[in-house]
Amino acid sequence: QSVLTQPPSVSGAPGQRVTISCTGSYSNIGTNYDVHWYQHLPGTAPKLLIYGNNRPSGVPDRFSGSKSGTSSSLAITGLQAEDEADYYCQCYDISLSGYVFGTGTKVTVL
Amino acid sequence: QITLKESGPTLVKPTQTLTLTCTFSGFSLSTSGAGVGWIRQPPGKAVEWLAVIYWNDNKRYSPSLKSRLTITKDTSKNQVVLTMTNMDPVDTATYFCAHRRGATDNGGNFDPWGQGTLVTVSS
Repeated sequence: QSVLTQPPSVSGAPGQRVTISCTGSYSNIGTNYDVHWYQHLPGTAPKLLIYGNNRPSGVPDRFSGSKSGTSSSLAITGLQAEDEADYYCQCYDISLSGYVFGTGTKVTVL
Repeated sequence: QITLKESGPTLVKPTQTLTLTCTFSGFSLSTSGAGVGWIRQPPGKAVEWLAVIYWNDNKRYSPSLKSRLTITKDTSKNQVVLTMTNMDPVDTATYFCAHRRGATDNGGNFDPWGQGTLVTVSS
């Protein structure tokens, strides 16, 4: 079961900006632990997109992450067709002493 | 370059025990901070974290599955094994192993992931 809540879907036209929210609690996002974001294309391995406020090498700067209180957001600016995928947030939960993932958001490029 | 690959049965019967092996390269599980985790994704559903093992042999399990899971490591073979007992059709999923990046035996993220292996539970 997912402890972090995300909207099931978001969509936008090419070039637009979309944001994906990730709502948690005091025991995960509300702690000092970073929130991480993954991009998942069907049939492939999920790929780390954002770790904390950083991007791994090779990830375009169109992707950015932020955190405030018990929520986090992923922003995609200049939306491109290749961004159409599922996106998941992830954090560590001190109450569960383990990792938690979001419910997942499907991004559709109109 | 870190790579991981999952191996194991593609079909198991209900009540059987599933054993999956993650074989990795590009890092050592004896290095401080290293870890390997297992995550699964049922068809059409979200990913779900299952277990992680760290360089110091500390382990963490998903509370909802803890009674059914065991994770072990063989540092000399660069392998991590996950066993899940009493398999049920609802456990049908793609199972991924992933390198855990972090400095301590908590927190961090998973990067990279293996390609995943689809396990179907059916009689």
